[in-house]
Amino acid sequence: VLTQSPATLSVSLGERVSLSCRASQNLVTNLAWYQQKPGQAPRLLISGASTRATGVPARFSGSGSGTHFTLTISSVQSEDVAVYYCQQYINWPPWTFGQGTRVEVK
Amino acid sequence: EMRLLQSGGHLGQPGGSLRLSCAASGFTFSDTAMGWVRQAPGKGLEWVSGISSSGGGTYYADSVKGRFSVSRDNTKNILYLHLNNLRADDTATYYCVKGYGLFDSWGQGTLVTVSS
Repeated sequence: VLTQSPATLSVSLGERVSLSCRASQNLVTNLAWYQQKPGQAPRLLISGASTRATGVPARFSGSGSGTHFTLTISSVQSEDVAVYYCQQYINWPPWTFGQGTRVEVK
Repeated sequence: EMRLLQSGGHLGQPGGSLRLSCAASGFTFSDTAMGWVRQAPGKGLEWVSGISSSGGGTYYADSVKGRFSVSRDNTKNILYLHLNNLRADDTATYYCVKGYGLFDSWGQGTLVTVSS
C-alpha cells in the first residue's frame, strides 16, 4: 500500500514544495512519480525514485529509498498545477499507485 | 516520437461487452510489453492489465480477472482490451500504457461509460 500526503497542497508561485509517499513494505528504489494535469493523461516524471524522465524540468527531483519517498518541486510554476501520483513496481502484479497529491497555486 | 492513439469513447450496458484499441507508433511495438490503466471519474489511477511483448504472458487486476482480456496484434502494432460482463463500476477513462510496471508513455485515454 502506498500512502501519499498531504492530499492537497496550496502553494505560492516560486515556493519550494515536497510531496511524500510512504510504502507499507520495502520498495528499495522501485518507485515512480507521475504528473497528471487537468484534463490530460498522466506522464512519467521520475523513475528509480530519483531519475528524471526525458524532458522533465530540473526543478523536479525525487529522493528516498525503502519505504519513504519524496518528490520536490524547487520553485513551483503555474504549469505545475496537477495531481501527482507515486507508483511501486517492485511487486507485480498488480502495480499499485498512491491516491495522489493535488498541487494548487494560491 | 512515441505515440499511443486510442479509439473513441464507448457506451456499454451492464452485462455487455466492448473492445478498446490502441495504435502504437514511434517504437518497436513487438519488443515492448504493454498494458492498461483506468481512472474512474474524479478518482485515482488503477492498473488493469498487462501483456508481454509476444502476447504469451497476460496479467490482470483482481477487479477485472475473468471478465477482461488483453491481446495484441504485433503485425499491425495494435493493443486491445476486451471488456466483458460490464458493471457500472467499470465506468472510467482507460489509458493504454507502454511498459511493464514503469509506464513511460500513455495514450490520450478512452472514456467507457456503463449504463442502462
